[in-house]
Amino acid sequence: DQQVKQNSPSLSVQEGRISILNCDYTNSMFDYFLWYKKYPAEGPTFLISISSIKDKNEDGRFTVFLNKSAKHLSLHIVPSQPGDSAVYFCAAGSGNQFYFGTGTSLTVIP
Amino acid sequence: NAGVTQTPKFRVLKTGQSMTLLCAQDMNHEYMYWYRQDPGMGLRLIHYSVGEGTTAKGEVPDGYNVSRLKKQNFLLGLESAAPSQTSVYFCASSYSVGGVNGEQFFGPGTRLTVL
Repeated sequence: DQQVKQNSPSLSVQEGRISILNCDYTNSMFDYFLWYKKYPAEGPTFLISISSIKDKNEDGRFTVFLNKSAKHLSLHIVPSQPGDSAVYFCAAGSGNQFYFGTGTSLTVIP
Repeated sequence: NAGVTQTPKFRVLKTGQSMTLLCAQDMNHEYMYWYRQDPGMGLRLIHYSVGEGTTAKGEVPDGYNVSRLKKQNFLLGLESAAPSQTSVYFCASSYSVGGVNGEQFFGPGTRLTVL
């Protein structure tokens, strides 16, 4: 049973608008959450993270929100750019093991 | 800095053959990981290492063995390959538990097909 779920396999957004990617997790013991971005034929690259003691973390155009009671996190990209088109994975865990979602393919339309 | 490199990039095996995937990092990271990525499954942790000479099982360790004889290298072995091991394999490394802010640095991946 998957401990981290991304229920939207794909998302299309117009350039300049907001992209919202969602992620749900099941284990209340997870205390660290990350988002990775992946282009075809490359490994994932780190984007942004948040610890369980926070509910929001910003880095430029990227903001991650954490709702611990709902076991839900989201990634907001504002404004979206064509170069943001990629697969986005959320990951959650504690200690040495992190569990990844199945990814959401974001397409930003120029 | 090359970061995390993986060898080979592609490989085709027959059922029952063995092979070793090599991961190397030049960032002096303590922690190294092997993941597999399958369609619709995300990345799943196979084995990991918290330092030279140590290894531990992850989420899907069966059918794989690993070794960390040198800090910069992490080897993943398949003793008797099965079609179910057809996948894309990613190696990653990090500074500490989850890395600085939890960041793991990933290699480009190895695409393995078992016929």
